Amino acid sequence: TQLLEQSPQFLSIQEGENLTVYCNSSSVFSSLQWYRQEPGEGPVLLVTVVTGGEVKKLKRLTFQFGDARKDSSLHITAAQTGDTGLYLCAGGSAGNMLTFGGGTRLMVKP
Amino acid sequence: DVKVTQSSRYLVKRTGEKVFLECVQDMDHENMFWYRQDPGLGLRLIYFSYDVKMKEKGDIPEGYSVSREKKERFSLILESASTNQTSMYLCASRFPGEFTLHFGNGTRLTVT
Repeated sequence: TQLLEQSPQFLSIQEGENLTVYCNSSSVFSSLQWYRQEPGEGPVLLVTVVTGGEVKKLKRLTFQFGDARKDSSLHITAAQTGDTGLYLCAGGSAGNMLTFGGGTRLMVKP
Repeated sequence: DVKVTQSSRYLVKRTGEKVFLECVQDMDHENMFWYRQDPGLGLRLIYFSYDVKMKEKGDIPEGYSVSREKKERFSLILESASTNQTSMYLCASRFPGEFTLHFGNGTRLTVT
């Protein structure tokens, strides 16, 4: 069974601070996705990375896929209260099946 | 925009009851999925369906069954609800060959 570990599990920061969330595995994935889930809603896709070493930017969010395609990170610059939510990474493997990490719950305080 | 609709936001059931969770999608997706979400455990796959009448067990199928009689509808059935099935249940759909899942807003089930 492939496992994805996310760290930290919880993060509480002030608006304007920077943060990084990590997603690690001992397994190789063909792709890595990040989803954000807000209270009362289902997860929504933020980004998909497919190439080892790939970096993608989405406004203040920077996503990186590790060279060996076993890990990924999400960096948020100058966090805003609207970034509050649960961040989930998901690794893609054979049959297009996804393995989800345990999630990082982010709280950005004004 | 893809819309995945779960029929109930909240459900409270008693131990031993048979429970039906319904999910409908409007984008003609072949693949549909049921996950449960528990704090710190992420999303765990219960069952999925590649197409109508097809079903496959996921990682935690025990105590659950599913039904896919029409392409747009995927039902999760708890044959005899137990307290350890109290959880958030998420339905998702997608086209074959894609990784991206489109989720419903979830059903929070409490079994007392």
